[in-house]
Amino acid sequence: AQSVTQLDSHVSVSEGTPVLLRCNYSSSYSPSLFWYVQHPNKGLQLLLKYTSAATLVKGINGFEAEFKKSETSFHLTKPSAHMSDAAEYFCVVSVAGGSYIPTFGRGTSLIVHP
Amino acid sequence: DGGITQSPKYLFRKEGQNVTLSCEQNLNHDAMYWYRQDPGQGLRLIYYSQIVNDFQKGDIAEGYSVSREKKESFPLTVTSAQKNPTAFYLCASSIFAGNTEAFFGQGTRLTVV
Repeated sequence: AQSVTQLDSHVSVSEGTPVLLRCNYSSSYSPSLFWYVQHPNKGLQLLLKYTSAATLVKGINGFEAEFKKSETSFHLTKPSAHMSDAAEYFCVVSVAGGSYIPTFGRGTSLIVHP
Repeated sequence: DGGITQSPKYLFRKEGQNVTLSCEQNLNHDAMYWYRQDPGQGLRLIYYSQIVNDFQKGDIAEGYSVSREKKESFPLTVTSAQKNPTAFYLCASSIFAGNTEAFFGQGTRLTVV
C-alpha cells in the first residue's frame, strides 16, 4: 500500500522569505506525486505534479518541487512567500498498485506573517 | 465550462436523518471519489467508482452509501448509521490512469443539528 507523510502540520514564514513544505512517500510502485492547495472552505487546486519525467517540477504561483527517489521525498518550495500563499497544502500519491486512487497526506498549514 | 459541481454547499442534518450530497462532473472522467475532511486528518476516502454501476468501499465507508448509475453522477448518502457526520465532504474525478491529477468540487459542509 502507498502512503504519504507530511512532516510538518504547520509552517510559519514571513512574507518575502522562502517556503519549504516537506513530504515523504512510501510505495512499492513508481509513484505519481501531486501537490494541492486548499483555501478555507474551498475545493482543492492542483499546484504541480510529478509523473516520471523531469525530477524538478514547476507549478503555478512560483511553486516547485523536486522528486528524490533515493530519499522518497517530494518537497514543495517557493523562493519568496506572499500573503496570498497562506492556505492548507496537501501532498498526494497515486500508484498503479493502488488502483490510481489519490492518497493524501494530513496536510500542512502555511502561515504567512507580514 | 468543464468541472465538478457539488451541491448543496451547506447542509444541515437532524439526528436519525439520511441526507444525500450531489456530485456531477462534465469532464467525461471514468473515476469518481468521495472524501471526508476533518481538521488535522487530511482527506480520507469514503467510496470510489471507476466505472458505471460499480463502486468500492474506501477506508471509512461505514455509515455511507453511494450509487453510480450514470458516468457523470456519483451521489453520496450519509445515513443515520454514521454517528459523527459533521465534516467537509469533497468529491473528485479523474481519468483512470496514474499520471493524471484528480479534479475537485468545491465541497459540501455537513452539520448535524
